[in-house]
Parts: sequence; C-alpha cells; structure tokens
Amino acid sequence: DVKVTQSSRYLVKRTGEKVFLECVQDMDHENMFWYRQDPGLGLRLIYFSYDVKMKEKGDIPEGYSVSREKKERFSLILESASTNQTSMYLCASSLVSGTYTFGSGTRLTVV
Amino acid sequence: QQQVKQSPQSLIVQKGGISIINCAYENTAFDYFPWYQQFPGKGPALLIAIRPDVSEKKEGRFTISFNKSAKQFSLHIMDSQPGDSATYFCAASKHGGSEKLVFGKGTKLTVNP
Repeated sequence: DVKVTQSSRYLVKRTGEKVFLECVQDMDHENMFWYRQDPGLGLRLIYFSYDVKMKEKGDIPEGYSVSREKKERFSLILESASTNQTSMYLCASSLVSGTYTFGSGTRLTVV
Repeated sequence: QQQVKQSPQSLIVQKGGISIINCAYENTAFDYFPWYQQFPGKGPALLIAIRPDVSEKKEGRFTISFNKSAKQFSLHIMDSQPGDSATYFCAASKHGGSEKLVFGKGTKLTVNP
C-alpha cells in the first residue's frame, strides 16, 4: 500500500514563527498536494506539485510556500505563522489524477 | 465552473437505514468522480469511484448513481451501520491528465445505533 507520512500529528507554534510541515510518500508518485481542512469549509488546496522543483498555487496560497527538492518529499512552509492558520493540514500524493492517497494530517495550533 | 456542490452538510441516519449524499458539478469536461471517506483523526481515503460511461457502480453496501444529463452524482449507503459514521467527500476531475481533484465541502454522516 502507498504510504503518505506527515512528520507531526500535532504542532503548537507561536505567532510569527516559521513553521515547516513535512510530507513523505513511498510509492514514487509524481503528484503531491497540500490541503487545509476547516469545519464547514471542506478541503482547500494550498499548493501542489507535479514534479521535482515544480510547484503551483492552489486556491489559498497566501501566507504559505512549498518546497520539493526530492520526488518523495513535499514540504509546506508557513513563513510567519498567524492564528488564522490554525487548522488541520493534509498532504496527499497521486500517480494518476483522481486517485489520491492522503496522510493522517497535522493539526497545527498557532498561539 | 470548477465547483462541486455537495449536500447535505450533515446527515443523521438510524442503523439499517439508507444514507444518501448528493453532488452536482458544472464542468462538462469532468470524467472521473470519486468519493472519499474520512474517519476522525485520519486522512480521507478513496471509497469508490465512477466514470460517466456507466450510470451506477456498486461495491458492497456503497453505490454511486450518476446522471450525466443532470450533471449530478450521488452516494447511497445501504443498511447503514454505526461504523459508517464519517465525513464523506465527493470529487471530480479529468482522469489521467494533470488535472487536480475538485472536492465538495463534505458531509458528516452519523449513524445512530
């Protein structure tokens, strides 16, 4: 089975800190995605990547950046964390469009 | 045109009942319609998917019904069980290309014992 691993299940960070969320997949998938999930808002796409060193903005990229230096790793960076970035963050990967495998998520709290 | 509208936002069903979740889309280029199931504390997982060349797909107690002319598709859960309590997301995309999934906002299903 494809496994998508997110480095932390829970994180608490202070306002203004630079935050790194790491995601690693083990099945050589080209496509990787970062979503945030908030009650009533569903899954909102932050950034995605179709190849190494390639990135594209999703629907809500403001305040975030990403890095994909290796095929298996896709990092989400909060340049200066704010309280409105408190959320559940989900990483996903796919080989063929539509069949996503998600990680278990990182619940980030910014205080 | 990129939206997928999902309803209801929440649903409560008695054990043994039928759960029905509906989705509608606008983009006629979509040709792949998956449903994802998410349990608390977990990421969403692919449950079942359909292509528009068929009107229905069944896997166990889960059935997708697809109406191409109405641009609607729905998930039916027969004989609903408390273990089916989860959040369900419909989605759509152009399969096989680099198009990303467009998700509905989710339905929280609660099946009471």
